[in-house]
Amino acid sequence: DAKTTQPTSMDCAEGRAANLPCNHSTISGNEYVYWYRQIHSQGPQYIIHGLKNNETNEMASLIITEDRKSSTLILPHATLRDTAVYYCIVRVSVTGTASKLTFGTGTRLQVTL
Amino acid sequence: SQTIHQWPATLVQPVGSPLSLECTVEGTSNPNLYWYRQAAGRGLQLLFYSVGIGQISSEVPQNLSASRPQDRQFILSSKKLLLSDSGFYLCAWSVYRWARQAQETQYFGPGTRLLVL
Repeated sequence: DAKTTQPTSMDCAEGRAANLPCNHSTISGNEYVYWYRQIHSQGPQYIIHGLKNNETNEMASLIITEDRKSSTLILPHATLRDTAVYYCIVRVSVTGTASKLTFGTGTRLQVTL
Repeated sequence: SQTIHQWPATLVQPVGSPLSLECTVEGTSNPNLYWYRQAAGRGLQLLFYSVGIGQISSEVPQNLSASRPQDRQFILSSKKLLLSDSGFYLCAWSVYRWARQAQETQYFGPGTRLLVL
């Protein structure tokens, strides 16, 4: 399974952009990169995912390098409520339609005033 | 819209006692269903997944079992709990679809925190 590497922790000032990096150098050509976040004592929340192209939704943007070996999650205007552990995951198929998400220890993002 | 429920939210059980955790999904049909466990300070580990009623696949051999008696119901069980079964248990659902690219996003429930004493 493709492994991801993320910094253990990051700080960001409220209102500024938070850029969370992730390395996934062993990713295969058809494997997707997913980002989730987990606020203390809650279930993980889906943020965004992508394969090759950059993606944007109402929560965040995902920038994937051309060689697909790394990606960056961007929260454009971080708020205190964005304080959480952020997980970068490579989705691995276990059947044609189901998959396994292997969560590492993620990046603990602390947004401060 | 889709909703996923898990209960109970918190459970304290003695070693050797049985376990039954339930997960139900509303607002979708024939979902993939998943059970994950998160040990303290660690990432999530996939335990079981199911692509249909009565179809269960195990990812990690252990003291637990899973069943799917109805399309949108997923149950995690144990006959005799061990101390090492303590953790945060999460149920997730997904539906595979093709729209510009393959879409199969897992959505997680609120979780059950289990403490075995």
